[in-house]
Amino acid sequence: DAGVIQSPRHEVTEMGQEVTLRCKPISGHDYLFWYRQTMMRGLELLIYFNNNVPIDDSGMPEDRFSAKMPNASFSTLKIQPSEPRDSAVYFCASSFSPGQGRGQPQHFGDGTRLSIL
Amino acid sequence: AQKVTQAQTEISVVEKEDVTLDCVYETRDTTYYLFWYKQPPSGELVFLIRRNSFDEQNEISGRYSWNFQKSTSSFNFTITASQVVDSAVYFCALSEAWLTGGGNKLTFGTGTQLKVEL
Repeated sequence: DAGVIQSPRHEVTEMGQEVTLRCKPISGHDYLFWYRQTMMRGLELLIYFNNNVPIDDSGMPEDRFSAKMPNASFSTLKIQPSEPRDSAVYFCASSFSPGQGRGQPQHFGDGTRLSIL
Repeated sequence: AQKVTQAQTEISVVEKEDVTLDCVYETRDTTYYLFWYKQPPSGELVFLIRRNSFDEQNEISGRYSWNFQKSTSSFNFTITASQVVDSAVYFCALSEAWLTGGGNKLTFGTGTQLKVEL
């Protein structure tokens, strides 16, 4: 079965450029999450969606960050304009809803390693 | 607020040794879920196990075993007869129960880097 698919795997770009990260969740999963991983701050939840609707975006660091989920099989995380401190690994994860069992595990994609020069 | 503490930053063992990774958590919820994830050098995060707060039975899966003790708020992970392929960063995580309104947020520990050498 296909897992969570993220693209690109690696992205190197200049400061000030727009960056778009993409995610395809596991089919049938109702929840989608975006995380950021850095050495200094570890794994941080940025935003999550339920049935394509953003539920909690309190982890989004600044207005430069935005996320969308236009349909059940696709989400984007956009940074505009990008800054060197945005360099990190960005993970997308998905899970079933509670109706199919509580405490459903989140399944992660392979991540996008982002470097802003 | 929830908190997960993995006090061991890095552990080095020789292959075939047993190793235990510690996880201590804090929550005010009576219903919650605990998870372990593995992050190998390739970077992906792999789900290993989920445990709910009402189930304190230990679990064994091959060389992996987990010891959940509510009395000490711990959910420790033991690898028996470690192998080089076990080298990875291991994360413990805590989730509030859905029905308390806490949503689906995972709080991760800072991870333990396990190095298994020949």
